[in-house]
Amino acid sequence: AQTVTQSQPEMSVQEAETVTLSCTYDTSENNYYLFWYKQPPSRQMILVIRQEAYKQQNATENRFSVNFQKAAKSFSLKISDSQLGDTAMYFCAFMKPFMNTGNQFYFGTGTSLTVIP
Amino acid sequence: SAVISQKPSRDICQRGTSLTIQCQVDSQVTMMFWYRQQPGQSLTLIATANQGSEATYESGFVIDKFPISRPNLTFSTLTVSNMSPEDSSIYLCSVRDRAEDEQYFGPGTRLTVT
Repeated sequence: AQTVTQSQPEMSVQEAETVTLSCTYDTSENNYYLFWYKQPPSRQMILVIRQEAYKQQNATENRFSVNFQKAAKSFSLKISDSQLGDTAMYFCAFMKPFMNTGNQFYFGTGTSLTVIP
Repeated sequence: SAVISQKPSRDICQRGTSLTIQCQVDSQVTMMFWYRQQPGQSLTLIATANQGSEATYESGFVIDKFPISRPNLTFSTLTVSNMSPEDSSIYLCSVRDRAEDEQYFGPGTRLTVT
């Protein structure tokens, strides 16, 4: 079974500073996908960034980047130049390749990030 | 990508009653899922909604409590039956299409049971 672990229940960062959120996972799969989702108080899950396991290059989306270490099964999210709008719950998630049935998507327990003005 | 809408967005219900939540997708999708997110918690998969057949439930969830329908490839309903305060949660619909390597989430339905 797949498990996703986020060891930081809460974090805070000063506005304009950089923060890194940790995520580790356990799987026997070789091909899979990793995601970071943001869930603000509006509760809509918003995709922040995704990484395909077969790609060695770390994904980057504007101020968001990941450090993907496949051998270590680690997938951390770095937020640069933090903004007040980054305040939200962040979920790390693991997804298997497509299957016709069964659970394919596994969430971590979340990290509550607060950006301090 | 897929755009998902849910109705209602929120509701307050009395103990012992039932609520049906609707999920509508703007395109045909292969897989539809229902998740529960209890206060301050992560998302837990309730079931996979199968088109034209009975839903596949995860451990700890049963059809009598959470009946699910999926009459076509764009629509599904989840009913929370005989509600108790422990059912107070956010319920999210999610979809994944074979052609895409991503899963999309609806805005959620916030349910409060009094």
